[in-house]
Amino acid sequence: GDSVTQMEGPVTLSEEAFLTINCTYTATGYPSLFWYVQYPGEGLQLLLKATKADDKGSNKGFEATYRKETTSFHLEKGSVQVSDSAVYFCALRRGSGGSNYKLTFGKGTLLTVNP
Amino acid sequence: DGGITQSPKYLFRKEGQNVTLSCEQNLNHDAMYWYRQDPGQGLRLIYYSQIVNDFQKGDIAEGYSVSREKKESFPLTVTSAQKNPTAFYLCASSQSSDRGYGYTFGSGTRLTVV
Repeated sequence: GDSVTQMEGPVTLSEEAFLTINCTYTATGYPSLFWYVQYPGEGLQLLLKATKADDKGSNKGFEATYRKETTSFHLEKGSVQVSDSAVYFCALRRGSGGSNYKLTFGKGTLLTVNP
Repeated sequence: DGGITQSPKYLFRKEGQNVTLSCEQNLNHDAMYWYRQDPGQGLRLIYYSQIVNDFQKGDIAEGYSVSREKKESFPLTVTSAQKNPTAFYLCASSQSSDRGYGYTFGSGTRLTVV
């Protein structure tokens, strides 16, 4: 079945440090890939997405590139801020129809950024 | 603005009680979902519905029930059969016709057994 594996947290960085959160996936076909962010006590918000190989999703300084050859979708940011402290979820969606309506989520990675 | 509204934000349940969590969306999305989130365990799917009057069990449906009588609404009932209901519950919806769409989430309901 489909699966998403994220690097285990927690990840603790100083402000302005470089961030990478690794995400790899297993799925048949050509899934779409997503990163969601969850701030404390809130629901998940879509951060960025990519729908085909070599696409780069970007938003709020975060980037991730869909790498089909390595089945990866690593999240990066060049300079993190305290306000980026949150839980980050990688997810995939395989297609439309039937059980493909469902997103498959990774377990989430807690990021803490210290001033 | 379109979105998903979950209510209440905090809910307290006594042992042996059933409680119902509300989820309403005005995005005209076909599919709706309920997830449970526990610390350190990520998201676990409880139930999902692709169309009105139809729903399927997810990975942890025991002790929960749902209904989908209207496209906009997908309430979740936590029954007394759910032995450990204290958790954060998230409702989501999606446009089911295109894999390029992700989910839109509500802001969650935190349920505590007292």
